[in-house]
Amino acid sequence: AQSVTQLGSHVSVSEGALVLLRCNYSSSVPPYLFWYVQYPNQGLQLLLKYTTGATLVKGINGFEAEFKKSETSFHLTKPSAHMSDAAEYFCAVSGGTSYGKLTFGQGTILTVHP
Amino acid sequence: GAGVSQSPSNKVTEKGKDVELRCDPISGHTALYWYRQSLGQGLEFLIYFQGNSAPDKSGLPSDRFSAERTGGSVSTLTIQRTQQEDSAVYLCASSFDGGIFGEQFFGPGTRLTVL
Repeated sequence: AQSVTQLGSHVSVSEGALVLLRCNYSSSVPPYLFWYVQYPNQGLQLLLKYTTGATLVKGINGFEAEFKKSETSFHLTKPSAHMSDAAEYFCAVSGGTSYGKLTFGQGTILTVHP
Repeated sequence: GAGVSQSPSNKVTEKGKDVELRCDPISGHTALYWYRQSLGQGLEFLIYFQGNSAPDKSGLPSDRFSAERTGGSVSTLTIQRTQQEDSAVYLCASSFDGGIFGEQFFGPGTRLTVL
């Protein structure tokens, strides 16, 4: 079985500040990890994914995440927040025989203040 | 556009009625997924279709829920005798081959409200 925990349902930052959204996972098989973003009234869009290889993954819009097996974490960061980053972010895991079926965290709403 | 489309975008129904939600995946994508997004449960997997294989129905919450995929393309999610707890946003996604590496492309969702 797999599960994802996102620490903090709401995160608020100032424009230009560091964005850090936390994600911890549990998986009995090597995990494949994803971050998705959802803007209001839109579907989910893939930001980045980790499958194998380099543990620091770069995605769209300046976001990156680092897979840390020892900490079972896959935190999402961005050095400088923009107003347009305001959205809900979901961490997800798949792996093993799940055939790409995603197990999502509860989501983190990011607010960016001017 | 060439993305995943869903219809209707909003559906309001009365408790006990049946509803059908439609998903048009990206052309050429062999895998199709349904998820449900609700306040209490977050994002939950419902069902997965891959090519001509038998679907993975392990996420369907009850036998009131069913889905079919015709001709390997369009999919319809049917909820019979709707209940208030069925109120949620139903999201459809497709991917090229359904593998664990494959990116899933999501539609905008159908917001279902059961009165």
